[in-house]
Amino acid sequence: AQSVAQPEDQVNVAEGNPLTVKCTYSVSGNPYLFWYVQYPNRGLQFLLKYITGDNLVKGSYGFEAEFNKSQTSFHLKKPSALVSDSALYFCAVRQWSTSGTYKYIFGTGTRLKVLA
Amino acid sequence: DTAVSQTPKYLVTQMGNDKSIKCEQNLGHDTMYWYKQDSKKFLKIMFSYNNKELIINETVPNRFSPKSPDKAHLNLHINSLELGDSAVYFCASSQAPGLENEQFFGPGTRLTVL
Repeated sequence: AQSVAQPEDQVNVAEGNPLTVKCTYSVSGNPYLFWYVQYPNRGLQFLLKYITGDNLVKGSYGFEAEFNKSQTSFHLKKPSALVSDSALYFCAVRQWSTSGTYKYIFGTGTRLKVLA
Repeated sequence: DTAVSQTPKYLVTQMGNDKSIKCEQNLGHDTMYWYKQDSKKFLKIMFSYNNKELIINETVPNRFSPKSPDKAHLNLHINSLELGDSAVYFCASSQAPGLENEQFFGPGTRLTVL
């Protein structure tokens, strides 16, 4: 079965330092991978996606993610963290549904805390 | 302008009651979704509609019934509410069901069943 794993419940990083939020996936075929961010009491917001092409994907708010096929990873990165980046981050993979179309499978989420 | 809106934002009710949550999107998207986020923040799809037709129906109790009067609206009706239904329910939309395009999420409806 296709799935995603986010091994860290929480990541703490000092403001101005680089940040990484990890995601690994398990799919058959070519993966469609996504990152979303959820701020407190808000819905999810799309950050970036990998469908095909360059392994380094750039997204919103200065975030980027690197698709690594050999390591089956799609880690989210940012060169310099801001306190306002503190939020819950979800990795998602596209999975074929038994209903006959595609759906997201979300990871368990990683809480990012950027310390001033 | 709000892209995906949900009402109400908060819903507190007694066990056994019937309640509805409404969702509207003004993005012109063809596909809409309902997700449930539990207290541990796990997010799971419940239903999806494409052009008013049901295309995803996960293993959700029959007490949950989605209704799409037109492609801009997807409402969720819940009968005989149970304690375990307490969660945040998110509506979302996308251009098409293939997920090549991202989904846009509403602000959520926090349902508390007492």
